[in-house]
Amino acid sequence: GESVGLHLPTLSVQEGDNSIINCAYSNSASDYFIWYKQESGKGPQFIIDIRSNMDKRQGQRVTVLLNKTVKHLSLQIAATQPGDSAVYFCASPWGNNNDMRFGAGTRLTVKP
Amino acid sequence: GAVVSQHPSWVICKSGTSVKIECRSLDFQATTMFWYRQFPKQSLMLMATSNEGSKATYEQGVEKDKFLINHASLTLSTLTVTSAHPEDSSFYICSARFLAGGYEQYFGPGTRLTVT
Repeated sequence: GESVGLHLPTLSVQEGDNSIINCAYSNSASDYFIWYKQESGKGPQFIIDIRSNMDKRQGQRVTVLLNKTVKHLSLQIAATQPGDSAVYFCASPWGNNNDMRFGAGTRLTVKP
Repeated sequence: GAVVSQHPSWVICKSGTSVKIECRSLDFQATTMFWYRQFPKQSLMLMATSNEGSKATYEQGVEKDKFLINHASLTLSTLTVTSAHPEDSSFYICSARFLAGGYEQYFGPGTRLTVT
């Protein structure tokens, strides 16, 4: 079936470094993607989204890149801070109800 | 805006009992609400989609008689775990979509269920 998945389950970076979290998807018809941040014991928090008619979108300290050719997207976090430590999910609407389907998640740990 | 709440935030119940979890959209109307389940160190898995005034649509493998969903109003959906067992212990998260929204879903803070 269609899926949204991640390359790496864990990522550890030094405070102040840039972080890159990757995600692969299988449905070439997917036209909208969202990155969520989930802290321990909390619900997912919207970070940034991108539509398929774009290949890059920037927010505050975050950038999402979309490569439709290889069905890959990434989340870049600039100057990573301890507060960025969390699990990051990519997600995309799927099916008749356009419910959000989540990838496996990457746990980002920021070392001081 | 676009705040979704869940109640309770955590609950402990004994095996064989039932527990109800509420999901509310506080400042918007939601025709569609979604229920997810998340086991430790795993991703969110969709359990069911709930449309106001109609029966919920369950994902394959989710027992509709065990996980009762009621979406009686545009701001409230409930999930009742009936005859709970320890394997039902999980983090349950709801989300809601605007009445006239597109893809965006707004997630609640989750409910931690522990069945002893």
